[in-house]
Amino acid sequence: GNSVTQMEGPVTLSEEAFLTINCTYTATGYPSLFWYVQYPGEGLQLLLKATKADDKGSNKGFEATYRKETTSFHLEKGSVQVSDSAVYFCALMGLTGNQFYFGTGTSLTVIP
Amino acid sequence: SQTIHQWPATLVQPVGSPLSLECTVEGTSNPNLYWYRQAAGRGLQLLFYSVGIGQISSEVPQNLSASRPQDRQFILSSKKLLLSDSGFYLCAWSVLAGYQETQYFGPGTRLLVL
Repeated sequence: GNSVTQMEGPVTLSEEAFLTINCTYTATGYPSLFWYVQYPGEGLQLLLKATKADDKGSNKGFEATYRKETTSFHLEKGSVQVSDSAVYFCALMGLTGNQFYFGTGTSLTVIP
Repeated sequence: SQTIHQWPATLVQPVGSPLSLECTVEGTSNPNLYWYRQAAGRGLQLLFYSVGIGQISSEVPQNLSASRPQDRQFILSSKKLLLSDSGFYLCAWSVLAGYQETQYFGPGTRLLVL
């Protein structure tokens, strides 16, 4: 079946540090992949997505590349800011639609 | 543009009381609608999804039910709340475009059952 595994948190970084949050998936065929961000007390916001192998999603300085060979979709940012502190969710949409599979979320805290 | 509303934003209810949470979507037609629960410090658990009026699929057996009386309205209910129903409830919508579908989330309702 479909599933998403993401890096356990919490992650604490200093401002301007490099960020990587690992995400791997199990799926049949070529699913669509997503990263969502949840700021404290709010709902989830779509951060970026990729719909086919080798696609790179990017937004607000974050990037993730759809790697079919390693079944991964790692989230990266070159220089984090305090305002990036949030919980990040990796997600997958299977080929049949109507079903999204979310990772358990990774909490990121950026300290000045 | 599309927007999704949830209310109330916060709710404190006693054990055994009924529940009704509402979600509405504007700016789109025939969306897929979803209810998720997020327990404190945990990931998302899909509770229900709906592909059309009156069509509800339940993912887990539980104390809750869902209804879709109108195309862009999705309601989460309970006849008698349990302590374990506490959590952050998120509604989401999506529209299938070709083979691509993205979910968009509402602001959430924080429910505390005492």
